[in-house]
Amino acid sequence: DIQMTQSPSTLSASVGDRVTITCRASQSISGWLAWYQQKPGKPPKLLIYKASTLENGVPSRFSGSGSGTEFTLTITSLQPDDFATYYCQQYSRFYTFGQGTRLDIK
Amino acid sequence: QVQLQESGPGLVRPSDTLSLTCSVSGASITSHYWTWIRQSPERGLEWIGYVSNGGGTNYNPSLKSRVTISMDTSSNQFSLKLTSVTAADTAVYFCARERFFYDSEAFDMWGQGTMVVVSA
Repeated sequence: DIQMTQSPSTLSASVGDRVTITCRASQSISGWLAWYQQKPGKPPKLLIYKASTLENGVPSRFSGSGSGTEFTLTITSLQPDDFATYYCQQYSRFYTFGQGTRLDIK
Repeated sequence: QVQLQESGPGLVRPSDTLSLTCSVSGASITSHYWTWIRQSPERGLEWIGYVSNGGGTNYNPSLKSRVTISMDTSSNQFSLKLTSVTAADTAVYFCARERFFYDSEAFDMWGQGTMVVVSA
């Protein structure tokens, strides 16, 4: 199994801040990584795929980078709608998700 | 506009079979891959398996002995069967599309999810 580990588990920030979430894979997954945003009672929403490709309709303040085993999701200039839980997911071999990073309002 | 909608019982008895159906509108299930994913506080988001546009399947090795996913092209639906359920199978079950052109572009469309409780 490929394990995905996100850090931090919880992040407190303010509107307008820049935040970065890290995701590490237990083995190389090349660039086969996606990022999702989930709000309570809703399904995850795809933000980024292939590590750095922004999904259509997703604001450009979201960006992804990395390859191999280390990846980051960056949100510049946080908006009120961005406070949610974020998950990384690998699809190199089967599919596994990180445990999530909850982004709270400070 | 692509929409996915899960349906099925919200309560299943221990040792019984959990059966869910995902109805797809706005897209044909003969394109892309169609997946079941579940979410619980204990296990987080867990991929269960998929059926491909050609009807092939692939399952999470940890669930493989209990899972069957199938598709019905005439009704544009795909289904999940999970046998011998226990309380550990209690979760919100999502159906989702794995967008697949030249290669995978991750899960781009999701149903709203359906809560399934395993209890006597």
